[in-house]
Amino acid sequence: NAGVTQTPKFQVLKTGQSMTLQCAQDMNHNSMYWYRQDPGMGLRLIYYSASEGTTDKGEVPNGYNVSRLNKREFSLRLESAAPSQTSVYFCASSDPRGTDYGYTFGSGTRLTVV
Amino acid sequence: GIQVEQSPPDLILQEGANSTLRCNFSDSVNNLQWFHQNPWGQLINLFYIPSGTKQNGRLSATTVATERYSLLYISSSQTTDSGVYFCAVTASYDKVIFGPGTSLSVIP
Repeated sequence: NAGVTQTPKFQVLKTGQSMTLQCAQDMNHNSMYWYRQDPGMGLRLIYYSASEGTTDKGEVPNGYNVSRLNKREFSLRLESAAPSQTSVYFCASSDPRGTDYGYTFGSGTRLTVV
Repeated sequence: GIQVEQSPPDLILQEGANSTLRCNFSDSVNNLQWFHQNPWGQLINLFYIPSGTKQNGRLSATTVATERYSLLYISSSQTTDSGVYFCAVTASYDKVIFGPGTSLSVIP
């Protein structure tokens, strides 16, 4: 019963470095999402994927790219990290076209860009 | 885009007290969810409730979609209820927008 698994849990990057955040779900959900959470800002949608092979921008997509590798995996890439991308990143999945409408979240990745 | 407001922003309760958290949204929505983020950062889905009333133990939620609001009731609060409560709405099919949250502290 793993649900949604995110790796890594913590990461420190230097400005300009790149990295990929990994997310995998084992609930056979069609939809997957990446959010960032900043103090006082709540959760903001970065990108989402309604199904395998499709991705769409959310509220704050600038500086990020995503890949829906298969139905299970949805990765988030920072090509050139900036201090403004210091945040906690959450991946989530759901199945709005099926019976599992509610979100299941991963445990988060705490990213610091120095 | 759709706006989501939550009130109150902060709440302090004595253990055993009851509380009501409110979520207002600015436009019609397809569904609404309530989440609890515990002090360790984990987000837990409490309710999926586009309309009507649901109960789960000491928690219950009511959504009146025609009047664009939802309420989360916490009865006999416990210290483990502390954290931040978010409501989140879906306007277009797959894009879920979160409110700013209500921070709850339950003191013994």
